[in-house]
Amino acid sequence: GAVVSQHPSRVICKSGTSVKIECRSLDFQATTMFWYRQFPKQSLMLMATSNEGSKATYEQGVEKDKFLINHASLTLSTLTVTSAHPEDSSFYICSARDGETRTDTQYFGPGTRLTVL
Amino acid sequence: RKEVEQDPGPFNVPEGATVAFNCTYSNSASQSFFWYRQDCRKEPKLLMSVYSSGNEDGRFTAQLNRASQYISLLIRDSKLSDSATYLCVVNIGYSGGGADGLTFGKGTHLIIQP
Repeated sequence: GAVVSQHPSRVICKSGTSVKIECRSLDFQATTMFWYRQFPKQSLMLMATSNEGSKATYEQGVEKDKFLINHASLTLSTLTVTSAHPEDSSFYICSARDGETRTDTQYFGPGTRLTVL
Repeated sequence: RKEVEQDPGPFNVPEGATVAFNCTYSNSASQSFFWYRQDCRKEPKLLMSVYSSGNEDGRFTAQLNRASQYISLLIRDSKLSDSATYLCVVNIGYSGGGADGLTFGKGTHLIIQP
């Protein structure tokens, strides 16, 4: 199946710093990528949808100025958590949809565990 | 009302047994349905898509009931390695773009006991 990578897999940072997470589709072109967040014992919650070359669409309650998304190429999307606070500590997962197959199957990255001290 | 509801469990099942769990969804416009499996502290992995006619993949059988808006997953001859959280996932449809990410249930925790 299609492979999606994420980097870093784990990050610990101080409150107030910014953290960038990369999501890459390794063997397909992802016209659409999704960013999810999962708190302990909770379900994955969609944060935003990004389409290559256009602005991301954010879900209600997600601050676009705090969670900056850039989808500059068909294989890379980045999520930057700006001025991170302890409540931003979570498991961030990206997924990508193969633009060639015209199905809605999403392939998930391995996730990034963010801990803000 | 939650969009996708599942019994969180845990379901404790002896190895070799058959286990089934259901999921209900609230949006009647939902078009795509999936079961994902998520191991502890890992990303979800697609287990199978769910079609109206029902589909089977080895020991796993998925069913969709659109009239009642529920999806089921049946696991036969359960293995220790089946222990995981099973996520019911719904999509209102692939429109070729836009905000149409998947909606996840909270998951059903399954524990297969030796």
